[in-house]
Amino acid sequence: GNSVTQMEGPVTLSEEAFLTINCTYTATGYPSLFWYVQYPGEGLQLLLKATKADDKGSNKGFEATYRKETTSFHLEKGSVQVSDSAVYFCALSDQGGSEKLVFGKGTKLTVNP
Amino acid sequence: GAVVSQHPSWVICKSGTSVKIECRSLDFQATTMFWYRQFPKQSLMLMATSNEGSKATYEQGVEKDKFLINHASLTLSTLTVTSAHPEDSSFYICSAREWIEGTDTQYFGPGTRLTVL
Repeated sequence: GNSVTQMEGPVTLSEEAFLTINCTYTATGYPSLFWYVQYPGEGLQLLLKATKADDKGSNKGFEATYRKETTSFHLEKGSVQVSDSAVYFCALSDQGGSEKLVFGKGTKLTVNP
Repeated sequence: GAVVSQHPSWVICKSGTSVKIECRSLDFQATTMFWYRQFPKQSLMLMATSNEGSKATYEQGVEKDKFLINHASLTLSTLTVTSAHPEDSSFYICSAREWIEGTDTQYFGPGTRLTVL
């Protein structure tokens, strides 16, 4: 079945450091890929998504590229801020849209000033 | 963006009692809502898809008689955990799907922490 594996946390960085959170997936066909972010006390929010190979999703300085050859969708940001502290979830959907999401376990990021 | 609320945010109940959790889309109508369950340090697991005006679709291994879902309006879905037991203690999260110009996005509620004593 479909599955998502993302790097274990927690991740602790200093402000302005470079961030990478690895995500790989297993799926039949051509899934859509998502990154969701959950800030403390809030619900998950869609951060970015990509629907086909080589697509790059981007938002708020974060980027992730859909790599079919490596079945990966790694999240990157060049310079993190304290306000980026949150839990990040990688997810996939093989339904074309956002239905039937399969999530990774989440990676907690803490950014220190 | 669209907002989804859940009520209550946390609940403690005795074993054998039933608990109802509400999920509301506050500023949009949602024909489809989803219910997830999350264990500590685990990913969200889809429990069921709630469709307005029809029966919910449950994922394999989820007991439909234990987790009753009602989607009575376009802005409200409820999950009732019947005859709750300690193993039902978990974090329950709902989401509502909005369609805009042919693209759909799931908006998530903040979750409900259920503790069964």
